[in-house]
Amino acid sequence: GAGVSQSPSNKVTEKGKDVELRCDPISGHTALYWYRQSLGQGLEFLIYFQGNSAPDKSGLPSDRFSAERTGGSVSTLTIQRTQQEDSAVYLCASSSPPGLANGELFFGEGSRLTVL
Amino acid sequence: AQKVTQAQTEISVVEKEDVTLDCVYETRDTTYYLFWYKQPPSGELVFLIRRNSFDEQNEISGRYSWNFQKSTSSFNFTITASQVVDSAVYFCALSENTGGFKTIFGAGTRLFVKA
Repeated sequence: GAGVSQSPSNKVTEKGKDVELRCDPISGHTALYWYRQSLGQGLEFLIYFQGNSAPDKSGLPSDRFSAERTGGSVSTLTIQRTQQEDSAVYLCASSSPPGLANGELFFGEGSRLTVL
Repeated sequence: AQKVTQAQTEISVVEKEDVTLDCVYETRDTTYYLFWYKQPPSGELVFLIRRNSFDEQNEISGRYSWNFQKSTSSFNFTITASQVVDSAVYFCALSENTGGFKTIFGAGTRLFVKA
């Protein structure tokens, strides 16, 4: 597709359930990022991928959070045993390396997660 | 360590006023990139500008201008003659090479422009 695609756009789940959020980046973009934005807050860095590798996972809030990327393309962010504080908009972005292009991050529309 | 500080949480101005949004960054790299993004009420993040660490030339784009000063590790953003449509949250971001280009964002500055 032309832009970054995220699914689902909205997810309501019960506390304790697992959720998977998917991100389909712009074709050819080698870098992929996950951020979390709580209501009225800034962008909290979670993890980023360069190809299929994740050089920095330091932003993942706990071991309930994991992410993978396959084929240098689609990425899945998994949250196990969801808690109410996980409620937020999860944003995915992709980019080309700054040396090759503008380095601009292209964002998806986000997945809004609500944990009841 | 990589860090971006936007000390101004909220700014309120009246239309046609000039406003400057501050951004201070920390990095150990000599090669890095700085960005500004806009997040209007609709929610989508819009790229505004990128600067390379080796290019301190200031830039102007219409009513927007950016002042990059390595000596003070600042990358400030000025909107001249603000308009109501400028109301949004503005994020400063820093990208440095950590085996890829990790990009982190400041907490954002919410700008209210009143008619």
